[in-house]
Amino acid sequence: DIVMTQSPDSLAVSLGERATINCKSSQSVLSSSNNENYLAWYQQKPGQPPKLLFYWASTRESGVPDRFRGSGSGTDFTLTISSLQAEDVAVYYCFQYYNPPLTFGGGTKVDIK
Amino acid sequence: DVQLVQSGEGLVQPGESLRLSCAVSGITFTTAWMSWVRLAPGKGLEWIGRIKNKIDGGTADYAAFVKGRFAISRDDSKNTVYLQMNSLKIEDTAVYYCTTYSGSPGRYWGQGTLVTVSS
Repeated sequence: DIVMTQSPDSLAVSLGERATINCKSSQSVLSSSNNENYLAWYQQKPGQPPKLLFYWASTRESGVPDRFRGSGSGTDFTLTISSLQAEDVAVYYCFQYYNPPLTFGGGTKVDIK
Repeated sequence: DVQLVQSGEGLVQPGESLRLSCAVSGITFTTAWMSWVRLAPGKGLEWIGRIKNKIDGGTADYAAFVKGRFAISRDDSKNTVYLQMNSLKIEDTAVYYCTTYSGSPGRYWGQGTLVTVSS
């Protein structure tokens, strides 16, 4: 099974500052057949279902503000919020859909400092 | 508008069974792959399994913790996907979500269904 390890578990950032979340997979999720990384990022707020932010590691879902950026390839990925807003307080998860069983990272809780 | 409407919420005792349903509208359900995901209290998201469309074989894949206790099925005539859960344990207490898995995984989600396993 592919293990997804996120870091940090939580972080507090001042409004307008940058937040960076890392995600590492135990094996590559880059497909040689289509050169795509089978990696997604989700945002979840309390009492709500998760919201898709990125797929193929860096393809922004429609409606997601451009202060969010997904990057990385192979086994190392990053979600960056360039200027944290109050509405970004949430738990963020990476997710590999390369090989079943599909697996989530443990989550990173983002708060305002 | 795409809608995933879940039903089947409940309180059950350990060892009992429960079936969750997820009725889908607004997408071509027959071509969609569907997944189930859960969020247990104080824990992170956990992938339960997915079912392919009939064109791709209609088979299901599961997380290891399912260990034959859970089964995902679909009824394309009703645009509905099901999660049958047997031999429920206290640690299965969670909010369960259905979600689409086609093209981009997790674009659309159900509202969530609370399952409580308690004696």
